[in-house]
Amino acid sequence: GAVVSQHPSWVICKSGTSVKIECRSLDFQATTMFWYRQFPKQSLMLMATSNEGSKATYEQGVEKDKFLINHASLTLSTLTVTSAHPEDSSFYICSARGQVAGGPDFNEQFFGPGTRLTVL
Amino acid sequence: AQSVTQLDSQVPVFEEAPVELRCNYSSSVSVYLFWYVQYPNQGLQLLLKYLSGSTLVKGINGFEAEFNKSQTSFHLRKPSVHISDTAEYFCAVSDRGGGFKTIFGAGTRLFVKA
Repeated sequence: GAVVSQHPSWVICKSGTSVKIECRSLDFQATTMFWYRQFPKQSLMLMATSNEGSKATYEQGVEKDKFLINHASLTLSTLTVTSAHPEDSSFYICSARGQVAGGPDFNEQFFGPGTRLTVL
Repeated sequence: AQSVTQLDSQVPVFEEAPVELRCNYSSSVSVYLFWYVQYPNQGLQLLLKYLSGSTLVKGINGFEAEFNKSQTSFHLRKPSVHISDTAEYFCAVSDRGGGFKTIFGAGTRLFVKA
């Protein structure tokens, strides 16, 4: 299947700093990328949806000024957590949707391995 | 809007016993249905998906699920579980429209005991 990578896999930062997380589709072009947040022992909560070249659509309750999403190309999306605080500590997972060569005629969604953010 | 309900937060089962993880969904539009597995500190792995056609879907690791439109259910089953199946399982639904947002259930922790 298609591969989606995230970098870094884990990051520790001080309160007040900003952190950027990258999400890349390695062998297909992602028409849409999604960002999820997962607290310990909880489900994935969709934060935002982004299409290449346009502004992200944020879910209700997600602060767009705090969680900046950029989808500059068909293979890269970034999530920047600005002025991070301890309550932002979480597991962030991206997914990319696109048609994989030789795959079914359906734009499947592939998930990255996640990034664990710890804010001290 | 769609929603997903996983009826059991935890399912303990003995090794080699059968297991069923329940999932119900609601949606005003046609949907695709998925089951994912997540091992500790890892991302999601797709077990199986229902797009159309046969309502019985077979996935990886011996899992299967049956789509029941009248009961709006998509229960996951395995006839004989292994210790290595211990993980968190998520049922998810994605609308067939242009958005394709995927909404996840709360998850079911499958704990396989020796």
